[in-house]
Amino acid sequence: AQKVTQAQTEISVVEKEDVTLDCVYETRDTTYYLFWYKQPPSGELVFLIRRNSFDEQNEISGRYSWNFQKSTSSFNFTITASQVVDSAVYFCARLPGASGGSYIPTFGRGTSLIVHP
Amino acid sequence: EAGVAQSPRYKIIEKRQSVAFWCNPISGHATLYWYQQILGQGPKLLIQFQNNGVVDDSQLPKDRFSAERLKGVDSTLKIQPAKLEDSAVYLCASSFTESPLHFGNGTRLTVT
Repeated sequence: AQKVTQAQTEISVVEKEDVTLDCVYETRDTTYYLFWYKQPPSGELVFLIRRNSFDEQNEISGRYSWNFQKSTSSFNFTITASQVVDSAVYFCARLPGASGGSYIPTFGRGTSLIVHP
Repeated sequence: EAGVAQSPRYKIIEKRQSVAFWCNPISGHATLYWYQQILGQGPKLLIQFQNNGVVDDSQLPKDRFSAERLKGVDSTLKIQPAKLEDSAVYLCASSFTESPLHFGNGTRLTVT
């Protein structure tokens, strides 16, 4: 199976610190998509961003930014000036594209982010 | 746009009993997924439907789990008989092809 690895199990920071969540993926597909999801204590998985394999342009959305590097098969997520409300489990996921022959998504094990006031 | 609806929100049963979960996807989403999320782990795909056909069910314990998606819309996931290790959150998600998955709130199952 082509894995998605989130090596950081838990990260603890103090409010206003910057934090980067790592994601490394395996793939044999030419086309694929990468996602980040947030799972707050309420339990619902909330979609944050999608990236396709042809677009390595980094993206910034408010305090969130994403760094996609195909050369290292990484799709890292940075939160700038973290806030207590950012406390959640964050999941990275990969979805094969049409060239993969299937559309079965794979999730990492998640990184628990705790932001202390 | 209405989100993915799941019910019930919580369920407590004894081992060897049966339980069923229901999911109504976002209108127009052809792909529907059932995931199992054990506490402290990432979601694990149990079964994926494309319309009313099964795309993948390789991780579905077929001796006790079953799922169907009649008419390519709503879906039900059943466990019969339940085991203690089935205690988890069962998440339903739907999507267009190659698009982000939209998740429901999940059903938290406790097997005692």
